[in-house]
Amino acid sequence: DAGVIQSPRHEVTEMGQEVTLRCKPISGHNSLFWYRQTMMRGLELLIYFNNNVPIDDSGMPEDRFSAKMPNASFSTLKIQPSEPRDSAVYFCASSLARGLGEQYFGPGTRLTVT
Amino acid sequence: GENVEQHPSTLSVQEGDSAVIKCTYSDSASNYFPWYKQELGKRPQLIIDIRSNVGEKKDQRIAVTLNKTAKHFSLHITETQPEDSAVYFCAASTGGFKTIFGAGTRLFVKA
Repeated sequence: DAGVIQSPRHEVTEMGQEVTLRCKPISGHNSLFWYRQTMMRGLELLIYFNNNVPIDDSGMPEDRFSAKMPNASFSTLKIQPSEPRDSAVYFCASSLARGLGEQYFGPGTRLTVT
Repeated sequence: GENVEQHPSTLSVQEGDSAVIKCTYSDSASNYFPWYKQELGKRPQLIIDIRSNVGEKKDQRIAVTLNKTAKHFSLHITETQPEDSAVYFCAASTGGFKTIFGAGTRLFVKA
């Protein structure tokens, strides 16, 4: 198995632009998580899905952030419009909801908003 | 809301010494406690976990203990090596769904 796949690995964009981050979970996993990691705030859970349905989006910082999971093998996190304070590493993780709960993280997307 | 506190935020030890990282959690329904290691520029990776029906678990140089009454759990690394240097995160979960992570402990192992 290729593990969790994220794209792009690096994204540099200007303030005000739309940014879309992509994630492919491990095949067979039915829970998917989006995290944001910064030095100041650590690892923050933004939203998670179970069986493609958003369960808890209380971590999404603002309406500028949105996430979708149209099918079991794909999810997107969109920021529109982006701001410099959105600069962070965004991780996607997946797990088997009925398993031990171990989450497998993707390599992350390093986002820089100038 | 749910919260996981982790201490210390930074820990420096001499190679060969032991390192202990402690966490407390607030949600009494938590029943799964994973520990993740994140090396610089890499993704967090699970190193060990413990479930609520177990008080202690060991895997070579790494051990975790859990005190459900006090809502405490700890990571113990013995005979530390330079490659143990990383950020360690504790977490608490109600089982497969929402996992709350601690703020992380940056461990430095000096050769």
